[in-house]
Amino acid sequence: GENVEQHPSTLSVQEGDSAVIKCTYSDSASNYFPWYKQELGKGPQLIIDIRSNVGEKKDQRIAVTLNKTAKHFSLHITETQPEDSAVYFCAASTGTASKLTFGTGTRLQVTL
Amino acid sequence: NAGVTQTPKFQVLKTGQSMTLQCAQDMNHEYMSWYRQDPGMGLRLIHYSVGAGITDQGEVPNGYNVSRSTTEDFPLRLLSAAPSQTSVYFCASSYSDIGAQYFGPGTRLTVL
Repeated sequence: GENVEQHPSTLSVQEGDSAVIKCTYSDSASNYFPWYKQELGKGPQLIIDIRSNVGEKKDQRIAVTLNKTAKHFSLHITETQPEDSAVYFCAASTGTASKLTFGTGTRLQVTL
Repeated sequence: NAGVTQTPKFQVLKTGQSMTLQCAQDMNHEYMSWYRQDPGMGLRLIHYSVGAGITDQGEVPNGYNVSRSTTEDFPLRLLSAAPSQTSVYFCASSYSDIGAQYFGPGTRLTVL
């Protein structure tokens, strides 16, 4: 089955700096890659996703890049703010959105 | 719309007891899933459904049963709870096979 590895497990940045979280996947058939943000005591919330026919996608301060050859994808957050502090999860799927394989999460802390 | 709702929010069981975790969505989504979240392991898929009357196993199905008699509801049953099932359980739904998943707020289950 699919295996998704996520790094780093914790990340601390100063407000205004950029943050990058990286994930690798094992199944070359995977074609859907969402990123979720989870705040304490809440369920994961989708923040951005990308499909295998696209190399990069941006939404304001958030961007995701995908390298199908290397089987890795990354989340980029620019101009970080304290409210960006949360746990971020990457995931991969071979096409069935209801069958996601998640990474182990990155705890992002944005300090003032 | 209430989105995805889960009950109860917290539950403590003794080993061997049974219970049902409830999940409902009011978005008319065909696809629904159950995940468990354990520290350091991300979210792992337990069971999923692609429509009323259709369910299938995910990565960690042992000890759990599901059924889908309506589009709105997707209950998760623990027939004989074990301490290894102590976890936070999330239900999710999506409108299509390649659509974004929306997560509920979770149920924190402790099995003594």
